[in-house]
Amino acid sequence: AQKVTQAQTEISVVEKEDVTLDCVYETRDTTYYLFWYKQPPSGELVFLIRRNSFDEQNEISGRYSWNFQKSTSSFNFTITASQVVDSAVYFCALNSGGSNYKLTFGKGTLLTVNP
Amino acid sequence: DAGVIQSPRHEVTEMGQEVTLRCKPISGHNSLFWYRQTMMRGLELLIYFNNNVPIDDSGMPEDRFSAKMPNASFSTLKIQPSEPRDSAVYFCASSPGQGTANEKLFFGSGTQLSVL
Repeated sequence: AQKVTQAQTEISVVEKEDVTLDCVYETRDTTYYLFWYKQPPSGELVFLIRRNSFDEQNEISGRYSWNFQKSTSSFNFTITASQVVDSAVYFCALNSGGSNYKLTFGKGTLLTVNP
Repeated sequence: DAGVIQSPRHEVTEMGQEVTLRCKPISGHNSLFWYRQTMMRGLELLIYFNNNVPIDDSGMPEDRFSAKMPNASFSTLKIQPSEPRDSAVYFCASSPGQGTANEKLFFGSGTQLSVL
């Protein structure tokens, strides 16, 4: 069975602060994929990143960075110098198995960035 | 290019009424998914189509729910009769491939359904 835990339900920061969103996953498969999606106030979920289980390199994209650690089954997301536009619900998701189409989502973390 | 288009954005109906949600996936995408989002259960997969064929409807809550995909550019999710516990945001998503584990999904803006 697959499971994704986002322990932080809500986070509130002031603009320009750094913030880390935690994600812990469970799977028995050796091949799996991890995702982060952003859900802004407009509602649609927007894809941010995908990592496969064989690639533990951390990734940086502008102010966004992701830390994937298999040893702790974690895939954390850090926003550096947060901005008001980063306010959204962020979902971590897991899909394991080559032909498995079922994404398992965490419950999401509501990030509020205050000016 | 247009993304996944859902209609209506908001639907308010009374218990017992039929509700039809609509989705136009991204042109050329082979896989289509219907998800439901609630506070209690989060995001749940209801049904998955590949090349217009329903592959897995095990997430459909009960017989009151049905989904169709008559062609590659249109899908509907119908609830008949609707109940207050069906109130949720319903998302349609599509992906270009066969819905495999590594594919990213493209989501529509969702339909906020309220059943009174």
